[in-house]
Amino acid sequence: DMQMTQSPSSLSASVGDRVTITCQASQDISNYVNWYQQKPGKAPKLLIYETSNLETGVPSRFSGSGSGTDFALIISSLQPEDIATYFCQQYDTLRHTFGQGTKLEI
Amino acid sequence: EVQLVQSGAEVKKPGEFLKISCKGSGYIYTNYWIGWVRQMPGKGLEWMGTIHPGDSDTRYSPSFRGQVTLSVDKSISIAYLQWRSLRASDTGMYYCARSRSGWYDYWGQGTLVTVSS
Repeated sequence: DMQMTQSPSSLSASVGDRVTITCQASQDISNYVNWYQQKPGKAPKLLIYETSNLETGVPSRFSGSGSGTDFALIISSLQPEDIATYFCQQYDTLRHTFGQGTKLEI
Repeated sequence: EVQLVQSGAEVKKPGEFLKISCKGSGYIYTNYWIGWVRQMPGKGLEWMGTIHPGDSDTRYSPSFRGQVTLSVDKSISIAYLQWRSLRASDTGMYYCARSRSGWYDYWGQGTLVTVSS
């Protein structure tokens, strides 16, 4: 089974910081990675698809990079409204997998 | 406007049957896979499986195969997730989501399932 190892599991940062969250796939998945943001009590929200494409309406401080097995979500300048849990997801096959999540705190 | 509206919260006993629903609107329902995701209390997202409303092609996560059944009624744009015999460990929030080429761009509001004797 495809595994997605996400790190760190939690992260404390300050407003204005550059934040990086990573995901490592257990095998080469090309660029088939997406990133989601989930706030407490809400459904997840798509931020980045296909590694680096910004979903419509998502602020440009969010970006994604990577290929093969190593991927990253970057927040260039952390804002208070970015406090949430972030998940990566692979879709290399029709059996998808999520990472374990990163809880971001200020 | 694309919307996925899920059925309401359920409280069930172990061993009971349950079927929850996810109704899509605002788009061509048969053009997009529907995925189901579990979130146990305080935990992360777990991908359960996906179904294509056009032909009912279904794929399951190995962790959920045999434990749940996905189905769809394309005539009324509703996807279903069912359990034949619930367990306490099935307690959690269940989301449906529309898959656009592998990424989930629209999500339902979630259905909370509580299984307790």
